[in-house]
Amino acid sequence: DAGVIQSPRHEVTEMGQEVTLRCKPISGHNSLFWYRQTMMRGLELLIYFNNNVPIDDSGMPEDRFSAKMPNASFSTLKIQPSEPRDSAVYFCASSRPIDSATYNEQFFGPGTRLTVL
Amino acid sequence: QQPVQSPQAVILREGEDAVINCSSSKALYSVHWYRQKHGEAPVFLMILLKGGEQKGHEKISASFNEKKQQSSLYLTASQLSYSGTYFCGTVVSSGSARQLTFGSGTQLTVLP
Repeated sequence: DAGVIQSPRHEVTEMGQEVTLRCKPISGHNSLFWYRQTMMRGLELLIYFNNNVPIDDSGMPEDRFSAKMPNASFSTLKIQPSEPRDSAVYFCASSRPIDSATYNEQFFGPGTRLTVL
Repeated sequence: QQPVQSPQAVILREGEDAVINCSSSKALYSVHWYRQKHGEAPVFLMILLKGGEQKGHEKISASFNEKKQQSSLYLTASQLSYSGTYFCGTVVSSGSARQLTFGSGTQLTVLP
């Protein structure tokens, strides 16, 4: 199993530029989560998808952030325009199909460290 | 609302025990525990479900008090490899909710 794959691993950009982060979940997993981690705010859920459909995007900071999942094996998180306060580590995680009785563990990708200058 | 973890940090010697607590102001369906080593991604340790079922790690145990909306993670005979930041994630009792809300973390350092 390759695990959750994220790219790029590091991104340095200037304020105002568009940033696109990519994620490939584990094959067979149908739930995908985007998190942001900072020292100040900890690990925050931004959005999650179930069967490629966005279920809850209440954690998305503002309209500058958008996420898509065009198919079961790919998702993107886009920031446009980027600002210095967006600097953080962004994690993608996936989990197996969730039944009504249990909640399965999430498998995290290695993260993308974003620096906005 | 974010669950509250305590302590924020703990330092112990190899072989000593530690307890990390997690409490919520909301009724909980389940509590998840993750460990994150510096510069790495969080890794799943354990799930505790309402009703007492547990799934997880062999050498780490946990409890879940549904009435008090609290969970505790017990690290016994700690090893150097236990060092890292421990996060609890809570799922509220809701049929449609799947997302975890993570606490701010407890930094555990195990010294030789």
